[in-house]
Amino acid sequence: AQRVTQPEKLLSVFKGAPVELKCNYSYSGSPELFWYVQYSRQRLQLLLRHISRESIKGFTADLNKGETSFHLKKPFAQEEDSAMYYCALSGLSGANNLFFGTGTRLTVIP
Amino acid sequence: DVKVTQSSRYLVKRTGEKVFLECVQDMDHENMFWYRQDPGLGLRLIYFSYDVKMKEKGDIPEGYSVSREKKERFSLILESASTNQTSMYLCASRRQGQDTQYFGPGTRLTVL
Repeated sequence: AQRVTQPEKLLSVFKGAPVELKCNYSYSGSPELFWYVQYSRQRLQLLLRHISRESIKGFTADLNKGETSFHLKKPFAQEEDSAMYYCALSGLSGANNLFFGTGTRLTVIP
Repeated sequence: DVKVTQSSRYLVKRTGEKVFLECVQDMDHENMFWYRQDPGLGLRLIYFSYDVKMKEKGDIPEGYSVSREKKERFSLILESASTNQTSMYLCASRRQGQDTQYFGPGTRLTVL
């Protein structure tokens, strides 16, 4: 069965400090991993996907199959990064639905 | 630009009422989804639809039903609302074969 774990419900960092939001997953096949973000009073939106290997708004995430992790990182946090972040997993077969973690609320302190 | 709209931002209903939550997307997407979002529980899939008149149960379908009579519209129905269905409900759509889901603004439902 698929499972996504985000161990931190709340995370606070100071502006300019590095930030890492943790995500671990369990899935028997080859998953696709995503980070979705929800800023205050905005709708949930895709931040990045592992398959693209891209950096969005300074954030990166590397899929580590050995550790079954997909942590989201940014070297220098900005106040506008304060938001709710969800890690999500999609299987490559079948329904291809998204399974979401419980989310981490990031607060960047000025 | 993909647009997913939900009929209400806030809704207050009484226990036992029948509740309809409507979702409309304008990008001709085949797939549509209903989630509920609760603090500490994240997003949980209630139902999804691959295409018109098709529906599949998600992880927590109990107490809910859905209707997809037209491609652009996906309705979530609470046959008899209960207080434990107080939540934020999110609708999403996706083009078949692509991975990105596009979300609506959400409907915050309170059942008294």
